[in-house]
Amino acid sequence: ELKVEQNPLFLSMQEGKNYTIYCNYSTTSDRLYWYRQDPGKSLESLFVLLSNGAVKQEGRLMASLDTKARLSTLHITAAVHDLSATYFCAVSQGGSEKLVFGKGTKLTVNP
Amino acid sequence: GAVVSQHPSRVICKSGTSVKIECRSLDFQATTMFWYRQFPKQSLMLMATSNEGSKATYEQGVEKDKFLINHASLTLSTLTVTSAHPEDSSFYICSAPPQGRVREGPDTQYFGPGTRLTVL
Repeated sequence: ELKVEQNPLFLSMQEGKNYTIYCNYSTTSDRLYWYRQDPGKSLESLFVLLSNGAVKQEGRLMASLDTKARLSTLHITAAVHDLSATYFCAVSQGGSEKLVFGKGTKLTVNP
Repeated sequence: GAVVSQHPSRVICKSGTSVKIECRSLDFQATTMFWYRQFPKQSLMLMATSNEGSKATYEQGVEKDKFLINHASLTLSTLTVTSAHPEDSSFYICSAPPQGRVREGPDTQYFGPGTRLTVL
């Protein structure tokens, strides 16, 4: 059974600081996704990572994938208040498009 | 870009009634759609896979007789919560991987805006 673990589950940080969210998964998968969710809203796609060593960046967010370690990271650089949200990683199951989600990391960026 | 819509966005009903939630792909075809449920302050859990023209496949622990799924066309899947009870109150989100040329990138999967169900 595929399991996805995220940590930390809660993250409070000051503006301008850097931090990393970690996502571990238990079995081999060919796709890893990062999503953002604002309160009461649905999911916004941030990144899709397909191969070992993949790195993608968009603004202050950078995601990477190490398939050998079954680990993905979402790095936040010089955080701003607008980044406050819950971030989920999700992993596809066995070549299908079904996703198993981590528990999410609630990020709060304080002025 | 590709869009998935859900209707209604919010519904409040009495215990024992049935509620239908629609998921539509607006500018692409989707032979497969997925239904997820999210309880407050929790993660998303896959409930079932909706397959156009055939029966839905349900995840372990999800009652197929309670959560009826119909994928009547390449752009519409419906989830009916039958005889709803307060414990069914949740945020229901559908997703669809688009077919054909619409994809904006590899393995893009589009999520609907969600339906918040409250059962009194």
